[in-house]
Amino acid sequence: KQEVTQIPAALSVPEGENLVLNCSFTDSAIYNLQWFRQDPGKGLTSLLLIQSSQREQTSGRLNASLDKSSGRSTLYIAASQPGDSATYLCAVYNFNKFYFGSGTKLNVKP
Amino acid sequence: DTAVSQTPKYLVTQMGNDKSIKCEQNLGHDTMYWYKQDSKKFLKIMFSYNNKELIINETVPNRFSPKSPDKAHLNLHINSLELGDSAVYFCASSPRLVGAMNTEAFFGQGTRLTVV
Repeated sequence: KQEVTQIPAALSVPEGENLVLNCSFTDSAIYNLQWFRQDPGKGLTSLLLIQSSQREQTSGRLNASLDKSSGRSTLYIAASQPGDSATYLCAVYNFNKFYFGSGTKLNVKP
Repeated sequence: DTAVSQTPKYLVTQMGNDKSIKCEQNLGHDTMYWYKQDSKKFLKIMFSYNNKELIINETVPNRFSPKSPDKAHLNLHINSLELGDSAVYFCASSPRLVGAMNTEAFFGQGTRLTVV
Protein backbone atom coordinates (compact mmCIF):
# COMPACT_ATOMS: atom_id res chain seq x y z
CA LYS A 1 0.00 0.00 0.00
CA GLN A 2 1.27 3.45 -0.89
CA GLU A 3 2.07 5.86 1.93
CA VAL A 4 3.03 9.48 1.42
CA THR A 5 4.84 11.52 4.05
CA GLN A 6 5.54 15.23 4.04
CA ILE A 7 8.17 16.94 6.13
CA PRO A 8 8.06 19.37 7.83
CA ALA A 9 4.44 19.53 8.97
CA ALA A 10 4.75 23.27 9.43
CA LEU A 11 7.26 25.89 8.41
CA SER A 12 7.55 29.59 9.21
CA VAL A 13 10.02 31.74 7.32
CA PRO A 14 10.66 35.44 6.77
CA GLU A 15 9.75 36.92 3.43
CA GLY A 16 12.41 36.53 0.75
CA GLU A 17 13.82 33.21 1.91
CA ASN A 18 14.25 30.24 -0.40
CA LEU A 19 12.72 27.08 1.03
CA VAL A 20 12.32 23.38 0.35
CA LEU A 21 9.35 21.17 1.13
CA ASN A 22 9.84 17.42 1.16
CA CYS A 23 7.62 14.55 0.10
CA SER A 24 8.42 10.84 0.30
CA PHE A 25 6.47 7.81 -0.86
CA THR A 26 6.89 4.11 -0.17
CA ASP A 27 6.02 2.55 -3.55
CA SER A 28 8.10 3.84 -6.45
CA ALA A 29 5.75 2.42 -9.12
CA ILE A 30 3.97 5.72 -9.62
CA TYR A 31 2.61 7.25 -12.80
CA ASN A 32 3.14 10.81 -11.67
CA LEU A 33 3.45 13.16 -8.73
CA GLN A 34 1.49 16.35 -8.29
CA TRP A 35 2.01 19.28 -5.94
CA PHE A 36 -1.02 21.26 -4.76
CA ARG A 37 -1.65 24.35 -2.75
CA GLN A 38 -4.61 24.65 -0.38
CA ASP A 39 -5.61 27.97 1.14
CA PRO A 40 -7.72 27.93 4.34
CA GLY A 41 -11.31 26.95 3.59
CA LYS A 42 -10.54 26.56 -0.11
CA GLY A 43 -10.06 23.79 -2.61
CA LEU A 44 -6.83 22.42 -4.03
CA THR A 45 -4.95 24.32 -6.69
CA SER A 46 -2.58 22.31 -8.86
CA LEU A 47 0.92 23.75 -8.88
CA LEU A 48 3.09 21.26 -10.73
CA LEU A 49 2.73 17.83 -12.27
CA ILE A 50 5.79 15.62 -12.73
CA GLN A 51 5.36 12.53 -14.86
CA SER A 52 7.21 9.41 -13.80
CA SER A 53 9.68 9.76 -16.68
CA GLN A 54 10.58 13.32 -15.70
CA ARG A 55 12.97 14.52 -13.04
CA GLU A 56 11.74 18.06 -12.53
CA GLN A 57 9.23 20.71 -13.48
CA THR A 58 9.36 24.47 -13.09
CA SER A 59 6.70 27.13 -12.92
CA GLY A 60 7.74 30.65 -12.03
CA ARG A 61 9.35 30.61 -8.60
CA LEU A 62 8.45 26.97 -8.06
CA ASN A 63 10.61 24.00 -8.95
CA ALA A 64 9.65 20.42 -8.19
CA SER A 65 11.99 17.46 -8.48
CA LEU A 66 11.27 13.76 -8.52
CA ASP A 67 13.54 10.84 -7.68
CA LYS A 68 11.40 7.77 -8.20
CA SER A 69 14.04 5.26 -7.19
CA SER A 70 14.45 6.79 -3.76
CA GLY A 71 10.77 7.67 -3.41
CA ARG A 72 11.32 11.38 -2.92
CA SER A 73 10.15 14.70 -4.28
CA THR A 74 11.01 18.24 -3.27
CA LEU A 75 9.22 21.50 -3.92
CA TYR A 76 11.57 24.46 -4.02
CA ILE A 77 10.08 27.93 -3.56
CA ALA A 78 12.38 30.81 -4.43
CA ALA A 79 12.14 34.25 -2.88
CA SER A 80 9.11 33.43 -0.75
CA GLN A 81 6.30 35.96 -0.37
CA PRO A 82 3.51 36.34 2.20
CA GLY A 83 1.08 35.31 -0.53
CA ASP A 84 2.77 31.90 -0.61
CA SER A 85 1.35 31.15 2.84
CA ALA A 86 -0.84 28.07 2.49
CA THR A 87 -0.76 24.31 2.98
CA TYR A 88 1.21 22.45 0.33
CA LEU A 89 0.17 18.91 -0.50
CA CYS A 90 1.91 16.32 -2.60
CA ALA A 91 0.05 13.44 -4.20
CA VAL A 92 1.29 10.41 -6.10
CA TYR A 93 -0.79 8.53 -8.63
CA ASN A 94 -0.77 4.75 -8.84
CA PHE A 95 -3.22 1.91 -8.35
CA ASN A 96 -5.87 4.08 -10.07
CA LYS A 97 -5.95 6.75 -7.39
CA PHE A 98 -4.11 9.66 -5.86
CA TYR A 99 -2.43 9.19 -2.50
CA PHE A 100 -1.92 12.36 -0.51
CA GLY A 101 0.54 13.39 2.13
CA SER A 102 -0.73 15.26 5.18
CA GLY A 103 0.72 18.53 3.92
CA THR A 104 3.18 21.21 4.98
CA LYS A 105 1.64 24.36 6.39
CA LEU A 106 3.77 27.29 5.26
CA ASN A 107 3.70 30.72 6.84
CA VAL A 108 5.75 33.47 5.18
CA LYS A 109 6.13 36.45 7.49
CA PRO A 110 6.29 39.97 6.03
CA ASP B 1 -15.51 28.98 -16.20
CA THR B 2 -15.07 26.71 -13.20
CA ALA B 3 -13.51 23.40 -14.24
CA VAL B 4 -14.82 21.25 -11.37
CA SER B 5 -17.78 22.64 -9.48
CA GLN B 6 -19.48 21.26 -6.38
CA THR B 7 -22.73 22.24 -4.75
CA PRO B 8 -23.42 23.12 -2.07
CA LYS B 9 -20.28 24.69 -0.64
CA TYR B 10 -21.58 24.41 2.92
CA LEU B 11 -24.05 21.91 4.32
CA VAL B 12 -25.26 21.84 7.92
CA THR B 13 -27.71 19.10 8.80
CA GLN B 14 -28.97 17.01 11.68
CA MET B 15 -28.01 13.45 12.47
CA GLY B 16 -30.13 10.91 10.67
CA ASN B 17 -30.89 13.09 7.67
CA ASP B 18 -30.13 12.18 4.06
CA LYS B 19 -28.22 14.64 1.91
CA SER B 20 -26.62 14.89 -1.52
CA ILE B 21 -23.61 16.71 -2.92
CA LYS B 22 -23.39 17.36 -6.62
CA CYS B 23 -20.28 17.59 -8.78
CA GLU B 24 -19.82 18.55 -12.39
CA GLN B 25 -16.70 18.90 -14.54
CA ASN B 26 -16.48 20.67 -17.88
CA LEU B 27 -13.00 19.44 -18.76
CA GLY B 28 -14.09 16.46 -20.83
CA HIS B 29 -12.33 14.11 -18.40
CA ASP B 30 -13.15 10.42 -18.22
CA THR B 31 -12.46 9.91 -14.53
CA MET B 32 -14.00 11.49 -11.45
CA TYR B 33 -13.31 11.02 -7.75
CA TRP B 34 -14.67 11.75 -4.32
CA TYR B 35 -12.17 12.49 -1.56
CA LYS B 36 -12.79 13.13 2.12
CA GLN B 37 -10.63 15.57 4.08
CA ASP B 38 -10.77 14.99 7.81
CA SER B 39 -10.17 17.42 10.65
CA LYS B 40 -6.42 16.82 10.38
CA LYS B 41 -6.55 17.89 6.73
CA PHE B 42 -5.71 14.40 5.49
CA LEU B 43 -7.24 13.60 2.09
CA LYS B 44 -8.43 10.08 1.48
CA ILE B 45 -10.02 8.52 -1.60
CA MET B 46 -13.62 7.38 -1.28
CA PHE B 47 -14.71 6.53 -4.81
CA SER B 48 -13.53 6.81 -8.37
CA TYR B 49 -15.55 6.45 -11.55
CA ASN B 50 -14.26 5.99 -15.07
CA ASN B 51 -16.75 6.68 -17.85
CA LYS B 52 -19.66 6.25 -15.41
CA GLU B 53 -18.31 2.93 -14.14
CA LEU B 54 -17.34 2.48 -10.48
CA ILE B 55 -13.65 1.64 -10.27
CA ILE B 56 -12.77 2.21 -6.64
CA ASN B 57 -14.88 1.92 -3.51
CA GLU B 58 -12.45 2.44 -0.69
CA THR B 59 -14.24 0.64 2.16
CA VAL B 60 -16.74 3.41 2.53
CA PRO B 61 -19.91 2.67 4.56
CA ASN B 62 -22.95 1.68 2.52
CA ARG B 63 -24.65 4.87 3.66
CA PHE B 64 -22.53 6.62 1.02
CA SER B 65 -23.74 6.03 -2.51
CA PRO B 66 -22.16 7.72 -5.51
CA LYS B 67 -24.05 8.11 -8.76
CA SER B 68 -22.68 9.06 -12.15
CA PRO B 69 -25.45 9.83 -14.66
CA ASP B 70 -22.83 10.73 -17.26
CA LYS B 71 -19.09 11.13 -17.28
CA ALA B 72 -19.32 14.84 -16.53
CA HIS B 73 -21.23 14.35 -13.28
CA LEU B 74 -20.56 12.43 -10.09
CA ASN B 75 -22.95 12.97 -7.22
CA LEU B 76 -22.63 11.71 -3.66
CA HIS B 77 -25.66 10.75 -1.63
CA ILE B 78 -25.33 10.11 2.08
CA ASN B 79 -28.04 8.35 4.09
CA SER B 80 -28.59 8.48 7.84
CA LEU B 81 -25.89 11.06 8.48
CA GLU B 82 -23.70 10.60 11.56
CA LEU B 83 -21.58 13.05 13.54
CA GLY B 84 -18.43 11.37 12.21
CA ASP B 85 -19.41 12.22 8.66
CA SER B 86 -18.54 15.86 9.33
CA ALA B 87 -15.66 16.70 7.01
CA VAL B 88 -14.85 18.47 3.78
CA TYR B 89 -15.71 16.43 0.70
CA PHE B 90 -13.82 17.12 -2.49
CA CYS B 91 -14.73 16.12 -5.99
CA ALA B 92 -11.95 15.79 -8.56
CA SER B 93 -11.47 14.75 -12.15
CA SER B 94 -8.59 13.58 -14.32
CA PRO B 95 -8.22 12.85 -18.05
CA ARG B 96 -8.25 9.07 -17.88
CA LEU B 97 -7.53 6.20 -15.60
CA VAL B 98 -5.92 3.12 -17.06
CA GLY B 99 -2.41 3.50 -18.37
CA ALA B 100 -2.60 7.22 -17.75
CA MET B 101 0.80 8.84 -17.71
CA ASN B 102 -0.51 12.39 -17.64
CA THR B 103 -3.15 11.99 -14.99
CA GLU B 104 -3.31 15.51 -13.65
CA ALA B 105 -6.08 15.97 -11.11
CA PHE B 106 -8.31 19.00 -10.86
CA PHE B 107 -10.26 19.55 -7.68
CA GLY B 108 -13.47 21.31 -6.82
CA GLN B 109 -13.67 23.88 -4.03
CA GLY B 110 -14.99 21.35 -1.54
CA THR B 111 -18.22 20.90 0.40
CA ARG B 112 -17.96 21.45 4.13
CA LEU B 113 -20.45 19.08 5.74
CA THR B 114 -21.34 19.62 9.38
CA VAL B 115 -23.59 17.11 11.10
CA VAL B 116 -25.13 18.33 14.36
